[in-house]
Amino acid sequence: AQSVTQLDSQVPVFEEAPVELRCNYSSSVSVYLFWYVQYPNQGLQLLLKYLSGSTLVESINGFEAEFNKSQTSFHLRKPSVHISDTAEYFCAVTRGRTGNQFYFGTGTSLTVIP
Amino acid sequence: KAGVTQTPRYLIKTRGQQVTLSCSPISGHRSVSWYQQTPGQGLQFLFEYFSETQRNKGNFPGRFSGRQFSNSRSEMNVSTLELGDSALYLCASSLRDRDTEAFFGQGTRLTVV
Repeated sequence: AQSVTQLDSQVPVFEEAPVELRCNYSSSVSVYLFWYVQYPNQGLQLLLKYLSGSTLVESINGFEAEFNKSQTSFHLRKPSVHISDTAEYFCAVTRGRTGNQFYFGTGTSLTVIP
Repeated sequence: KAGVTQTPRYLIKTRGQQVTLSCSPISGHRSVSWYQQTPGQGLQFLFEYFSETQRNKGNFPGRFSGRQFSNSRSEMNVSTLELGDSALYLCASSLRDRDTEAFFGQGTRLTVV
């Protein structure tokens, strides 16, 4: 079975400061890794994903995540946050090739302080 | 290209009633999954449908059921509603049955009173 742990439930950070949201997973098989973002009263939007290849993946709005197989981690980082980054962030895994069932972490609430 | 559409957006029901939620996936997508989101339990997988067949099912009681139509639209039904069923129900659409990306709708907020 797969499971995802997001170590921080809430992360406050000042505007223009760097941030890291931590995600660890456990799985006995290879998985695909995702970060989704959720704004209030909205669904989930895909931020970035790791399927294979380069372990560093980037999003169009400045976020990046690095897949670390030995540490079973997929931490999300941004060098300089903006007020608009305030949202809930979810790390997720799926085995992909055996269906579309995603396993989500409990989420990290990122609050950017002006 | 229209995204995933869930209707209704908000719903208030009384304990013991039943409810049906609807999800229209992205045009051309054939896989639909449902998730329940609550503050206490987070996002939990309910079930997945592909080509009108349920492929995976999460750990929910039989009161939760679903189906998918030939046009890929999906409905989920909850019978004998309980207060604990209050949640945001999210539908996700994928192109294939073994895809690597899911697109989520805005969800239906169900409140059971």
